[in-house]
Amino acid sequence: DTGVSQNPRHKITKRGQNVTFRCDPISEHNRLYWYRQTLGQGPEFLTYFQNEAQLEKSRLLSDRFSAERPKGSFSTLEIQRTEQGDSAMYLCASRSDRGFYNEQFFGPGTRLTVL
Amino acid sequence: AQSVTQLGSHVSVSEGALVLLRCNYSSSVPPYLFWYVQYPNQGLQLLLKYTTGATLVKGINGFEAEFKKSETSFHLTKPSAHMSDAAEYFCAVSGATGTASKLTFGTGTRLQVTL
Repeated sequence: DTGVSQNPRHKITKRGQNVTFRCDPISEHNRLYWYRQTLGQGPEFLTYFQNEAQLEKSRLLSDRFSAERPKGSFSTLEIQRTEQGDSAMYLCASRSDRGFYNEQFFGPGTRLTVL
Repeated sequence: AQSVTQLGSHVSVSEGALVLLRCNYSSSVPPYLFWYVQYPNQGLQLLLKYTTGATLVKGINGFEAEFKKSETSFHLTKPSAHMSDAAEYFCAVSGATGTASKLTFGTGTRLQVTL
């Protein structure tokens, strides 16, 4: 068990470009969550998957954001036409239904900087 | 709806002194409560959690927290601070299952430990 991994760890892009992040959850974890953390704030929920089904999306997730989990394993988060306000740390977490009481395991995050 | 309030964005203690980080929550369902720690440029690590049962929960690194339903509080304590405890601490609340399982975080408390 190697933990939750996220790639890339850092991404610098220019405003208007598209970016995609990847999250590999702990194997056999069927639930996967994306959170966004801006400077000086706590993480905020973005979206949530149970297997390949996206069950909830936050109002924070504008139509420029899309997330997928095509085979119920890894997930991608894409931001189209990036804006400076998208600069943040994007965190991924996973958990198992068989695990303890909603214990979510977090990856190291992808830090996005939009110039 | 759920929310978390962490009183004090910065707390400074001397090495060996008591650490007390405050957290109050609001939840429309029986809450699961968590404390996470975040070191610079890293993801979140779970310190401890309350789900059901004993209201005093012990976590890693000597931390503990007490769930007080009447006060809607879940304060984090450690009897004796170490330099290595300097980090950002987040309190979080969730429900048990489904879409209620997303974590709602407070804004965090930065703990500084001085010699």
